[in-house]
Amino acid sequence: GENVEQHPSTLSVQEGDSAVIKCTYSDSASNYFPWYKQELGKRPQLIIDIRSNVGEKKDQRIAVTLNKTAKHFSLHITETQPEDSAVYFCAAGLSGSARQLTFGSGTQLTVLP
Amino acid sequence: ETGVTQSPTHLIKTRGQQVTLRCSSQSGHNTVSWYQQALGQGPQFIFQYYREEENGRGNFPPRFSGLQFPNYSSELNVNALELDDSALYLCASSSPLGGYGDYGYTFGSGTRLTVV
Repeated sequence: GENVEQHPSTLSVQEGDSAVIKCTYSDSASNYFPWYKQELGKRPQLIIDIRSNVGEKKDQRIAVTLNKTAKHFSLHITETQPEDSAVYFCAAGLSGSARQLTFGSGTQLTVLP
Repeated sequence: ETGVTQSPTHLIKTRGQQVTLRCSSQSGHNTVSWYQQALGQGPQFIFQYYREEENGRGNFPPRFSGLQFPNYSSELNVNALELDDSALYLCASSSPLGGYGDYGYTFGSGTRLTVV
């Protein structure tokens, strides 16, 4: 089955700096790569996603890049703000009827004021 | 609010007992997936229901079972509870399967299960 590895597990940045979180996946059949933000005690919320037919996607301060050959994808947050502090999870999805997502182990991002 | 509601929000059970968790999907979503999130880890796929039938299952034993009802709501049942079953159980609804794949998961707030 699919295996998703995520690093770093913790990341501290100064407000205004950029943050980068990286994930690798094992199953070359995976074609959907979402990123979720989970604040303490709350539900995971989708912040951006990318499909395997594109290499990069941006949404304001957030961008995701995908390298299918190397089987890795990354989340980039620019101009970080204290409200960006949360746990971020990457995930990979297999095409087909089951539509399950395999999640990484998460990155605790702390933005220092 | 996302429209996906789960109940109860918190639950404490004794090892060996049985538990039922409930999920109401977002309007228009007929697919429900269940995930287990242990403390400090990412969610792990348990199973998915589509049109009242199980439509994919992760690496969980048979004591984890589920149901989906005609109104697309769902239940997760866990028998013979073990201490390791303590976790946040998340329900996610999504729009119909097909095409390139709409994974637009909307997660509920989850049920925090503690087994003692």
